[in-house]
Amino acid sequence: KAGVTQTPRYLIKTRGQQVTLSCSPISGHRSVSWYQQTPGQGLQFLFEYFSETQRNKGNFPGRFSGRQFSNSRSEMNVSTLELGDSALYLCASSFFGLQGGTDTQYFGPGTRLTVL
Amino acid sequence: AQSVSQHNHHVILSEAASLELGCNYSYGGTVNLFWYVQYPGQHLQLLLKYFSGDPLVKGIKGFEAEFIKSKFSFNLRKPSVQWSDTAEYFCAVRTMDSNYQLIWGAGTKLIIKP
Repeated sequence: KAGVTQTPRYLIKTRGQQVTLSCSPISGHRSVSWYQQTPGQGLQFLFEYFSETQRNKGNFPGRFSGRQFSNSRSEMNVSTLELGDSALYLCASSFFGLQGGTDTQYFGPGTRLTVL
Repeated sequence: AQSVSQHNHHVILSEAASLELGCNYSYGGTVNLFWYVQYPGQHLQLLLKYFSGDPLVKGIKGFEAEFIKSKFSFNLRKPSVQWSDTAEYFCAVRTMDSNYQLIWGAGTKLIIKP
């Protein structure tokens, strides 16, 4: 079974630009969650999508948004990039999602975003 | 606000030493608990998880963790580490309430000296 894939793996942008990251979950998984990982901060939860609906949201500004398509693939968009947005962005997929009781999330390799 | 605390940011051990990484969380309700590992250059992998039942859970590669509800702790242990255990270890807590989230500790970087 193929794992979670994320594209692109690396991205360099400048302040003020916008960026779109993509995540393809494991086949059959309907939930995709997004996280921001920075050194010393661990992972910060951005949002979760389940069956094309945003189900949970973390404490990030509105510049961070996402969507999920009918095939469960998800995209995350960051508008008006700031230097502090430089991070590794991870997506994770699972069948039932964060409300799924005994569900487990499987992570992709991440997209390394550098904002100059 | 809910939080997860990992006591040590960096741990250096020699091969064959015993390992215990601390994890404490602040949340009074029902939780699911996880330990993930990130080997150098690789993505996060699940080591073990606790949902209910026996508070001592065993994971992959000889790791185990014990859930102590009264101490809000979920410490990771391994009796004898190997050089290949060099990695970053993350504790995560899923809160089972109206705002389901996976809250993460800041991680512990473990270096095993051969």
